[in-house]
Amino acid sequence: DAGVIQSPRHEVTEMGQEVTLRCKPISGHNSLFWYRQTMMRGLELLIYFNNNVPIDDSGMPEDRFSAKMPNASFSTLKIQPSEPRDSAVYFCASSLATGGPYNEQFFGPGTRLTVL
Amino acid sequence: KNEVEQSPQNLTAQEGEFITINCSYSVGISALHWLQQHPGGGIVSLFMLSSGKKKHGRLIATINIQEKHSSLHITASHPRDSAVYICAAVNTGNQFYFGTGTSLTVIP
Repeated sequence: DAGVIQSPRHEVTEMGQEVTLRCKPISGHNSLFWYRQTMMRGLELLIYFNNNVPIDDSGMPEDRFSAKMPNASFSTLKIQPSEPRDSAVYFCASSLATGGPYNEQFFGPGTRLTVL
Repeated sequence: KNEVEQSPQNLTAQEGEFITINCSYSVGISALHWLQQHPGGGIVSLFMLSSGKKKHGRLIATINIQEKHSSLHITASHPRDSAVYICAAVNTGNQFYFGTGTSLTVIP
C-alpha cells in the first residue's frame, strides 16, 4: 500500500497566486482530514470529510480556503489568493471511520507551502 | 487558556530510561489521539483511545476520563524514539484540540 499521497511536496509561490494542494487517501478509507502545521500555532485541523462529504470545516481559516473531495480517491485544498501567513506544512490524513473522527489516522508526508 | 496542555515541553533522557509524557484536557472528549512526529516531519498516529489503556510494543497510553488526563509511556527508551509527541482531544462535537507537543530526545 502506498499510503496517503500528497502533491506537491514543496510549493513556493508569490502572494496573490492561487495554490492547490492534492491528496490521495489510502484505498478503502472513507474519512479524509486536512491539517495545517506552523511553528506559531502548532497542528490545526482545517476540515474533514466522511464519505466525500465535508463534515466539519470550522477550522478553515478564511473564505480564501476551500476544500473539495469529488470522489473517494482524491481531495484538493485550494487557497486563493494566497498570503505569506498561509506559509505552513499542510498534512492530509485518512482513516476508515464509522461515523466520527475516532479511528486511527494515517498521515501523508505533507506539503510545505511558502508564500513570498 | 489552551484546551489541551502537555508536559513537559522538552524532555531529554538516557537510552533505556522509562519516559512519561502527560496530557491534560479541559473539554469533554469522545477520543484522544497520540501522534508522533519524526525529525523529518512525518506524522504517525500511535494511539486512539477513549478509555483505559492501550499497549503497542514499548509504548503504553492510558487515559483517565474522570481526571481528564492521559499519559504516554515509553519503556526502555531508544534514540529512535526521539521525536515530538502530540496529543489531540476530540470533543463530542467532533472538534479537535491539539497540544503543543513534547519534544523528546533520547541520548545513547
